[in-house]
Amino acid sequence: DAGVIQSPRHEVTEMGQEVTLRCKPISGHNSLFWYRQTMMRGLELLIYFNNNVPIDDSGMPEDRFSAKMPNASFSTLKIQPSEPRDSAVYFCASRMGPTSYNEQFFGPGTRLTVL
Amino acid sequence: GQQVMQIPQYQHVQEGEDFTTYCNSSTTLSNIQWYKQRPGGHPVFLIQLVKSGEVKKQKRLTFQFGEAKKNSSLHITATQTTDVGTYFCAAPNSGGSNYKLTFGKGTLLTVNP
Repeated sequence: DAGVIQSPRHEVTEMGQEVTLRCKPISGHNSLFWYRQTMMRGLELLIYFNNNVPIDDSGMPEDRFSAKMPNASFSTLKIQPSEPRDSAVYFCASRMGPTSYNEQFFGPGTRLTVL
Repeated sequence: GQQVMQIPQYQHVQEGEDFTTYCNSSTTLSNIQWYKQRPGGHPVFLIQLVKSGEVKKQKRLTFQFGEAKKNSSLHITATQTTDVGTYFCAAPNSGGSNYKLTFGKGTLLTVNP
C-alpha cells in the first residue's frame, strides 16, 4: 500500500495567489482529515470528511480556505487568496471507520511558504 | 472543547538515559493514542490505550493509561538516537463528537550520542 499521498510536497507562492493542495487517502478508508501544523499552534484539525461528506469544518480558519472531496480517492484543500500567515505544513490523514478508536494514517505533508 | 496538556515541551537526554512524557486531561477520556513524528516527517501512530490502568509495551517503550482515564504517559528506557522526534498524545473530543482527535502540543526529544 502506498499510504496517504499528498502533492505537492513543497509549495512556494506569493501573497494573493491561489494554492491547491491534493490528497489521495488509503484505499478503503472512509474518513479523511486535513491538518495544519505550525510551531506556534501545533497540529490543528481543519476539516473532517466521512464518506466524502464534510462533517466538521469548524477548524477552517477563514473563508479563504475551502476543501472538497469529490470522490473516495481524492480531496483538495484550497487557499484563495493566500497570505504569509498561512505558511505551515499541511497534512492529510485517513482512517478506516468513523470513530476515534481507529488509528489515523498521515501523508508526508505539504510544506507551504507564502511570501 | 477537549484539551490535552502535554509536558514537558522539550527534553534533551544523553543516549542511554530514560525519557518520559506526560499527557493530562481535565475530563475522562474514552481512549488515547500516541504518535511519533521524526524531524521533517509526519506523525506515525504508535499505540492506543482504552482501559483504565492499561499498560502496554513496545520494546523499550512503555505506555500507561491512568486509573481515572485522565492522564497517560510514555516512557522510553535507555534512549537511542533513533528515538529522536516529537511524541504526541491525542484524544477524542468529549461531548459526543467522538470522530476527531485533539493532539497535544507534543514533546520534542533530542538524544545526545
